[in-house]
Amino acid sequence: EIVLTQSPATLSLSPGERATLSCRASQSISTYLAWYQQKPGQAPRLLIYDASNRATGIPARFSGSGSGTDFTLTISRLEPEDIAVYYCQQRSTFGGGTKVEIK
Amino acid sequence: QVQLVESGGGVVQPGRSLRLSCVASGFALNGYGMHWVRQAPGKGLEWVAAISYDATNKYYIDSVKGRFTISRNNSEDTLFLQMNTLRPDDTAVYYCVRGGFGVIPERLDPWGQGALVTVSS
Repeated sequence: EIVLTQSPATLSLSPGERATLSCRASQSISTYLAWYQQKPGQAPRLLIYDASNRATGIPARFSGSGSGTDFTLTISRLEPEDIAVYYCQQRSTFGGGTKVEIK
Repeated sequence: QVQLVESGGGVVQPGRSLRLSCVASGFALNGYGMHWVRQAPGKGLEWVAAISYDATNKYYIDSVKGRFTISRNNSEDTLFLQMNTLRPDDTAVYYCVRGGFGVIPERLDPWGQGALVTVSS
C-alpha cells in the first residue's frame, strides 16, 4: 500500500509570500496525484489533478509539479482566503495534510 | 450547477444501522463512478467505498468490509451508503464524491457538503 507523507505539517506565511507544500510517495506513482483544499468548516475542493493540471475555476496562483515520488503544490502569492488544509491523494490514499496559516 | 447533497446522518448507538443518501444534480449520475470519503472529527480524509458507473464493481476499505454497502439508483441520480453494525470509530463526516468513469478514486470532484454520523451510546 502506498503511503503519502506531507510536509510541513503547518506553514505560517505572510500575505503575498510563496507557499511550497510537499507530498512524498512511498513508491513511484508516475503523475497520478491530486491536491485538494479544505477551508475551515467546508468540504474539500479539487485543486490539481494528474500532478500539474489545474481543476476548473482554480486560480492560476495554484500550481502543481512533480512525478515519481516527489510532488509539490505551490501557491505563488498567498491570499488570506488560501487559509486551509491541503491534502494530496493517490487513488484510495490521502496524505495527512498541510495546514496553511497567515502569519 | 453540478452539486451533490447528502442526507441521512445522525446519532446512532453502537451496533445499529444508518443509511446515507446522496442526490446528484447538474449532471447524469450514470456517467460516473462514485465514492464515499469520511473525515473523523479533527482528522484527515479517509476513502471508504467506491462504485462503478453501472454498479458492477464495488470496493471498500478493509475496516468497513462486510458492514457497509455502497449502491446507486441511476434513474433517480442517487447514491447510497448502508452502514450496519456501526462502531464508535465510524464517527465522521461522510462525503459523497464524484469520480471518473471507473472505480479508481481519481479527480474527486465535486464533493457534497457532508453528513455527520455520530456513533455513541
